[in-house]
Amino acid sequence: DTEVTQTPKHLVMGMTNKKSLKCEQHMGHRAMYWYKQKAKKPPELMFVYSYEKLSINESVPSRFSPECPNSSLLNLHLHALQPEDSALYLCASSQIGGGTEAFFGQGTRLTVV
Amino acid sequence: GESVGLHLPTLSVQEGDNSIINCAYSNSASDYFIWYKQESGKGPQFIIDIRSNMDKRQGQRVTVLLNKTVKHLSLQIAATQPGDSAVYFCAENMIEKLIFGSGTRLLVRP
Repeated sequence: DTEVTQTPKHLVMGMTNKKSLKCEQHMGHRAMYWYKQKAKKPPELMFVYSYEKLSINESVPSRFSPECPNSSLLNLHLHALQPEDSALYLCASSQIGGGTEAFFGQGTRLTVV
Repeated sequence: GESVGLHLPTLSVQEGDNSIINCAYSNSASDYFIWYKQESGKGPQFIIDIRSNMDKRQGQRVTVLLNKTVKHLSLQIAATQPGDSAVYFCAENMIEKLIFGSGTRLLVRP
């Protein structure tokens, strides 16, 4: 199984809502990532988890809160988002240490209204 | 440095021709590079990778060339097919981070 599964595929939320994005992989990867991708731009790294611990936060606003409950799951909790946060949110996983392929999910298309 | 993409360069090729997509990377300490293909509405999909101790690697219909002197990567696609139409990103690995280049849209004309 070389799949990274993200849910939901699409999400529309208001600026006062709280929602969560979910990501799951069963490849035994101990590094997991959240990326944000705006239209016609490359994915931009947000967070890196290594062995279920947050190792990199790329100065992401606190209205985005990641969580890694176990080695297979990665969540991104959303609260008080702005319309400019509308984007495709991508989850990825890889073996620890870099130097190996990162597998990406299909993404969650988020629209903030 | 981080990639900045104000627009997406486009490469248009005739079906059956070879395609060459170029990428400049930023960090001379990067030791691993990946080419990804992204179709509309989907996540990036791995195509081929190369480590910094190599200058060429071949896959099925694809070849990646690495020139560390000028920090340049290229992806060559042989006999380009309509299914190759997508956006192509190079990515460089810097410790735990995978940083993407700005991308190139490949359009295949029938």
